[in-house]
Amino acid sequence: EVLLVESGGGLVKPGGSLRLSCAASGFSFSSYSMYWFRQAPGKGLEWVSSTDSSSTYIYYADSVKGRFTISRDNAKNSLYLQMNSLRADDTALYYCARAPPSKFSDYWGQGILVTVSS
Amino acid sequence: ENVLTQSPATLSLSPGERATLSCRASQSVSSSLAWYQQKPGQTPRLLIYDASSRATGIPARFSGSGSGTDFTLTISSLEPEDFAVYYCHQRGNWPLTFGGGTKVEI
Repeated sequence: EVLLVESGGGLVKPGGSLRLSCAASGFSFSSYSMYWFRQAPGKGLEWVSSTDSSSTYIYYADSVKGRFTISRDNAKNSLYLQMNSLRADDTALYYCARAPPSKFSDYWGQGILVTVSS
Repeated sequence: ENVLTQSPATLSLSPGERATLSCRASQSVSSSLAWYQQKPGQTPRLLIYDASSRATGIPARFSGSGSGTDFTLTISSLEPEDFAVYYCHQRGNWPLTFGGGTKVEI
């Protein structure tokens, strides 16, 4: 069974940092591209960042470029999102998702809530 | 940025009726478009990828069509469990984008 479990979320003050983790199991993690998406409360879906299987190709949404860093550890079957200089509009449920190379994301985690508030 | 515009925003139908959802892209994505279903409190579920291919385990009542800039998701006969929000999503251009969603309600 494919499982993606996010952790590391919580309440943080504006300007603060958080590191999200996504533990993957049930599939060959090192063969898949991995993604972070987010969904603000009551809003639609937004792509945040993605990495290919070997971390060669990494992309960011303009809204997070320069503040967020995606990384992965294939030996630990884990995906990460380092989030710095957090703002109120980063408040959202953050999902990790897998995708076969050049394909759409087919499995998503349950999400982890990040709240940025003073 | 490739803006995806979904219409209508809300579709009010009854079980057994046909649902037709539209997604229009501001730039061509060829066939690099997917549809996701999301129910309250749940994770998005991939329904259709590459514009018209059903994902694993998706019932045949769901079908997708279109290419370039105009796409359609059709649910041939609504089941009670189909009432949800549907998002289109493109990976034809960076940045990846989603439509604003269509809520299918009773």
